[in-house]
Amino acid sequence: AQSVTQPDIHITVSEGASLELRCNYSYGATPYLFWYVQSPGQGLQLLLKYFSGDTLVQGIKGFEAEFKRSQSSFNLRKPSVHWSDAAEYFCAVDNMEYGNKLVFGAGTILRVKS
Amino acid sequence: NAGVMQNPRHLVRRRGQEARLRCSPMKGHSHVYWYRQLPEEGLKFMVYLQKENIIDESGMPKERFSAEFPKEGPSILRIQQVVRGDSAAYFCASSPHSLGVGSYEQYFGPGTRLTVT
Repeated sequence: AQSVTQPDIHITVSEGASLELRCNYSYGATPYLFWYVQSPGQGLQLLLKYFSGDTLVQGIKGFEAEFKRSQSSFNLRKPSVHWSDAAEYFCAVDNMEYGNKLVFGAGTILRVKS
Repeated sequence: NAGVMQNPRHLVRRRGQEARLRCSPMKGHSHVYWYRQLPEEGLKFMVYLQKENIIDESGMPKERFSAEFPKEGPSILRIQQVVRGDSAAYFCASSPHSLGVGSYEQYFGPGTRLTVT
């Protein structure tokens, strides 16, 4: 069965510093890949997605992610973090076997210190 | 264009009662998904429905849980005889009825936080 691993449960960065959140997946084919953000008590907002083509994808709020097939990774990056980026971030993979069934990682909680 | 609507946002039930969670997909979306988020965990797929059809219920517990998406009205996730372990956030997502990669984007509602006392 496919799985998604986010190895960092918590990450703390200083405001203005760069950020990289890691995501690795286990899946035979190239899946559809997503990053979502969840603020406390809120639903999930889609940051960006990868389906095919250019392996560097741009998303909202200044985020980007790079798909690396050889490493089965889809890491999320931001050059300069803002205090409002503090939230929980989820990487997800689309299980296309039955159409649309997202498999989520356990999430990474981002703390931003001023 | 209103987003995915879920109600209630918070629901408190005593053990043994029934919980009914509602989800109205985005306009033009005919695919609905339910996910459960237990405390300190990521979201876990429960069920995938299209209008009047259950497509994939591989993530649903075998007992006490059921889901429907009728021709008219919202999708309902029903939990009978709730237990403390059912306390979680339940999220609904929807996607468009279309072919191609656009159909793979899921838009999430704000969730229903169920507390079983």
